Amino acid sequence: NAGVMQNPRHLVRRRGQEARLRCSPMKGHSHVYWYRQLPEEGLKFMVYLQKENIIDESGMPKERFSAEFPKEGPSILRIQQVVRGDSAAYFCASSPTRGAGSDTQYFGPGTRLTVL
Amino acid sequence: AQTVTQSQPEMSVQEAETVTLSCTYDTSESNYYLFWYKQPPSRQMILVIRQEAYKQQNATENRFSVNFQKAAKSFSLKISDSQLGDTAMYFCAFMTRGSSNTGKLIFGQGTTLQVKP
Repeated sequence: NAGVMQNPRHLVRRRGQEARLRCSPMKGHSHVYWYRQLPEEGLKFMVYLQKENIIDESGMPKERFSAEFPKEGPSILRIQQVVRGDSAAYFCASSPTRGAGSDTQYFGPGTRLTVL
Repeated sequence: AQTVTQSQPEMSVQEAETVTLSCTYDTSESNYYLFWYKQPPSRQMILVIRQEAYKQQNATENRFSVNFQKAAKSFSLKISDSQLGDTAMYFCAFMTRGSSNTGKLIFGQGTTLQVKP
């Protein structure tokens, strides 16, 4: 059973460009979470999605950031018009049921975004 | 709002010895989970151990064990017989249970552990 997959592992963008980060959850998992880790800091929750639904986006910046988890295909975290402050590691995690149950989140290897 | 605090930014231990990493948290909830995750230089987040708050017995996974003090809101991680591969950053994390929970993990700032040969 493959783990959570994220690509690309490293992404370099210039200021003003768009960044698209992809996450494929573990097989059988229908819940996806995105976290951001700034240098020398812990992970901060951004958004929680189920298939075709955003459940909690309380950690997502109101502008330039969006996320989706379509019926088919990976979850996408999209950052428009990137700025240097967006440089961070972005982690995706998945779980088989809603986090309120006994299930644990399993993390992907992360995407390291560098904005020049 | 829940918060998680790790007061030890860095720690070191000699190989084969025991080390304890501290974590405290603040919450008004009574039903929740606590986790320790490990982040080695590869940056992959790896689950080390988890504890359900309603269970009084401390969780154990091989060389890793926790000391869960619910009244004190303390959740420390003990690593016995430390190995070089334990060198990593360790994060304590909190998740509520129940209807108010959306699966959000709240992380501490992390403790960098170096195991010395």
